[in-house]
Amino acid sequence: SQQGEEDPQALSIQEGENATMNCSYKTSINNLQWYRQNSGRGLVHLILIRSNEREKHSGRLRVTLDTSKKSSSLLITASRAADTASYFCATAQMNSGYSTLTFGKGTMLLVSP
Amino acid sequence: EPEVTQTPSHQVTQMGQEVILRCVPISNHLYFYWYRQILGQKVEFLVSFYNNEISEKSEIFDDQFSVERPDGSNFTLKIRSTKLEDSAMYFCASVAGTSENNEQFFGPGTRLTVL
Repeated sequence: SQQGEEDPQALSIQEGENATMNCSYKTSINNLQWYRQNSGRGLVHLILIRSNEREKHSGRLRVTLDTSKKSSSLLITASRAADTASYFCATAQMNSGYSTLTFGKGTMLLVSP
Repeated sequence: EPEVTQTPSHQVTQMGQEVILRCVPISNHLYFYWYRQILGQKVEFLVSFYNNEISEKSEIFDDQFSVERPDGSNFTLKIRSTKLEDSAMYFCASVAGTSENNEQFFGPGTRLTVL
């Protein structure tokens, strides 16, 4: 798989349910960042987790990082229709350019009212 | 809250024409980037810029592309002779640069359509 591969590719849930998206990567990283993109719009930074961190919270978001498995997950709790968007993980790799990010293909999340 | 801005939001051009995409990074940031996203595909790194020079570039960033920071605020991406396959969203981003673990902030993007 390529650096920063998310799964599932698409996720459809009801409001109030939790949404979990996963990301896998291949090389050693300095950090992993999650972004949200509404259709055709810009990238909104959600959360950054450093390579020496295992879990991080921000509001309804919970991100985990397992560097031994080279994987991360993004959990959105109590989802809302406004959470409908594409979610991307992006890795800042060690020995790469300063903070240059490598993105995955994203998970498209649809939250139905 | 400070944000990265980009102009124009949408640019339509004819194949072979030159285009300049403009970005104003967050004022105290030190590292600047351009990425692109072809419709339906992943965001791809193009180039990074620090201390008035390119620090890294991808294979996509060929001789048709150039970047410039003409003054203390603007950061531009020029495509000299556009091709149909240059049609994409182009995102500018900036990082404070005080640590390798600073968040990277993106602008809203410029949608480039090459006809």
